[in-house]
Amino acid sequence: NAGVTQTPKFQVLKTGQSMTLQCAQDMNHNSMYWYRQDPGMGLRLIYYSASEGTTDKGEVPNGYNVSRLNKREFSLRLESAAPSQTSVYFCAISNPAYEQYFGPGTRLTVT
Amino acid sequence: GEDVEQSLFLSVREGDSSVINCTYTDSSSTYLYWYKQEPGAGLQLLTYIFSNMDMKQDQRLTVLLNKKDKHLSLRIADTQTGDSAIYFCAERGGYSSASKIIFGSGTRLSIRP
Repeated sequence: NAGVTQTPKFQVLKTGQSMTLQCAQDMNHNSMYWYRQDPGMGLRLIYYSASEGTTDKGEVPNGYNVSRLNKREFSLRLESAAPSQTSVYFCAISNPAYEQYFGPGTRLTVT
Repeated sequence: GEDVEQSLFLSVREGDSSVINCTYTDSSSTYLYWYKQEPGAGLQLLTYIFSNMDMKQDQRLTVLLNKKDKHLSLRIADTQTGDSAIYFCAERGGYSSASKIIFGSGTRLSIRP
């Protein structure tokens, strides 16, 4: 997972609280992604950013917002957390050869 | 919508070959990927194959693609205890950064001594 960092590693929220998950890369690639991983399911795309200044919805965007602050950073915000958002969140980047590299993940629990 | 399916579990004896299978529905797939996920970690890209290829070999890993049947497999030769992990198959349906990648649910590989 070298090159993609995520903070925090773990977080517990109460229903209705907000938080921002941070992702940063040092690989200088344009494309960045946020996924969630739930037990027994593959990864599902929440949002992605093809380049600095652009963001687009993925498969499951409801309840989330994103910011592509600059080429390095792509953050995911939960404005009002719900128990259904309990999951492991992964940030990923994609190089021009369409190889995706993932961060180590943020494990979020909403009570 | 498009789908990627894998069996959930596979158990093999140490030293044997493991074969993990995957089927997909997207007829416009361009790249097909295999990822490995160890406990508590992110996904690690193992290998990938372009949709116009039938086979790709990389050390102990062999990927076979049957595009007609939309079937992808990953063979791990001489399986070791360090190969215990969840393996995800994924397919990309296009050539841009916006192209959607669909992941399977993952196959948990366990190794018997």
